[in-house]
Amino acid sequence: AQSVTQLGSHVSVSEGALVLLRCNYSSSVPPYLFWYVQYPNQGLQLLLKYTSAATLVKGINGFEAEFKKSETSFHLTKPSAHMSDAAEYFCAVLPQGGSEKLVFGKGTKLTVNP
Amino acid sequence: NAGVTQTPKFRILKIGQSMTLQCAQDMNHNYMYWYRQDPGMGLKLIYYSVGAGITDKGEVPNGYNVSRSTTEDFPLRLELAAPSQTSVYFCASSHRPGQGIRTEAFFGQGTRLTVV
Repeated sequence: AQSVTQLGSHVSVSEGALVLLRCNYSSSVPPYLFWYVQYPNQGLQLLLKYTSAATLVKGINGFEAEFKKSETSFHLTKPSAHMSDAAEYFCAVLPQGGSEKLVFGKGTKLTVNP
Repeated sequence: NAGVTQTPKFRILKIGQSMTLQCAQDMNHNYMYWYRQDPGMGLKLIYYSVGAGITDKGEVPNGYNVSRSTTEDFPLRLELAAPSQTSVYFCASSHRPGQGIRTEAFFGQGTRLTVV
């Protein structure tokens, strides 16, 4: 069964520092990959997605992610953290063929310190 | 264009009661999903549907039922509520506009359910 692992349930960075949130997937065939953000008491908002085009994907709010097939990873980065980036971030995986199960990781809560 | 609409937003149930969480989308999407979110556990897939009349189990289907009689609606039924079903429930939809193309999942705002 397909799965996704997010390393680190909590990540804390200083304002202006690099943000790196890790996501690894297990799949025999490269899947569709997504990063979502959730602010307190809200629904999920798409940050970016990988759909087998460019391996470096740019999203909203200055975030980007790189698909690395050899490492089965799709890590999310942002060069300079803002206070407004404090939220919970979820990585999700969807097979490109077969099952239509969209599966999420457990999430990483990002804290940005002034 | 409202997107994905969930009702109600909040509900308190007593143990053993039943209820239906409503989900409707106006984007003509084929795929619809129900998730539950518990602190530190991410989103767990309960049921999903690939089109009207077709549903399948996700990771945590026990205690829930779904139906998909139309493209727009995907209600989630709790027959005998238990405290373990206290959670935030999210409905989502997505689409395949062409071969090899898949949209992201669009989410509703969630239903916060408490079973006491």
